[in-house]
Amino acid sequence: ELKVEQNPLFLSMQEGKNYTIYCNYSTTSDRLYWYRQDPGKSLESLFVLLSNGAVKQEGRLMASLDTKARLSTLHITAAVHDLSATYFCAGSGGATNKLIFGTGTLLAVQP
Amino acid sequence: NAGVTQTPKFQVLKTGQSMTLQCAQDMNHEYMSWYRQDPGMGLRLIHYSVGAGITDQGEVPNGYNVSRSTTEDFPLRLLSAAPSQTSVYFCASSYSRTGHAGELFFGEGSRLTVL
Repeated sequence: ELKVEQNPLFLSMQEGKNYTIYCNYSTTSDRLYWYRQDPGKSLESLFVLLSNGAVKQEGRLMASLDTKARLSTLHITAAVHDLSATYFCAGSGGATNKLIFGTGTLLAVQP
Repeated sequence: NAGVTQTPKFQVLKTGQSMTLQCAQDMNHEYMSWYRQDPGMGLRLIHYSVGAGITDQGEVPNGYNVSRSTTEDFPLRLLSAAPSQTSVYFCASSYSRTGHAGELFFGEGSRLTVL
């Protein structure tokens, strides 16, 4: 069964710096999703990655997918305080209808 | 559009009580699912449904029942609540006709405390 691991679990970074969140998954996953959750709120979809080599960008966030390495990354460029949130990746393996989430990465951007 | 609506937002139960968390979506989504969120555990899939009349178990189904009599509604039932079921519950849906879960749209969550 698909397992999804994220690291780091907690990331404290200064405004203006760059960093990457990693999402590894254990078995073949046809697609990979990234979500954002603000404290006490629901989850909001950020990116949907559907194929090997897929890259998507929105503002200071860029997500990529390497299905051969079973790895997706979420890169943060020149972080700002508004990006502080918990970020989740989720995978859907093979023919399964199950979307399995990682444990999340709590990002705190310090001024 | 209201999207995915969950009720209640907050609930306190005593051990052994039963209750139903309601979930409704107005987006004509085929796929619906329930997750629970606990600190340090991420989101764990409880049950899901790929269409009316079809349900299946997720990662942590024990202690929960679901049914899907209509496309719009997907209630989650706790038959005999236990303190271990204290959690935040999220309902989510997606437009999926391919068998995959698809991009999920989440409700606002229901915070349940079992004493």
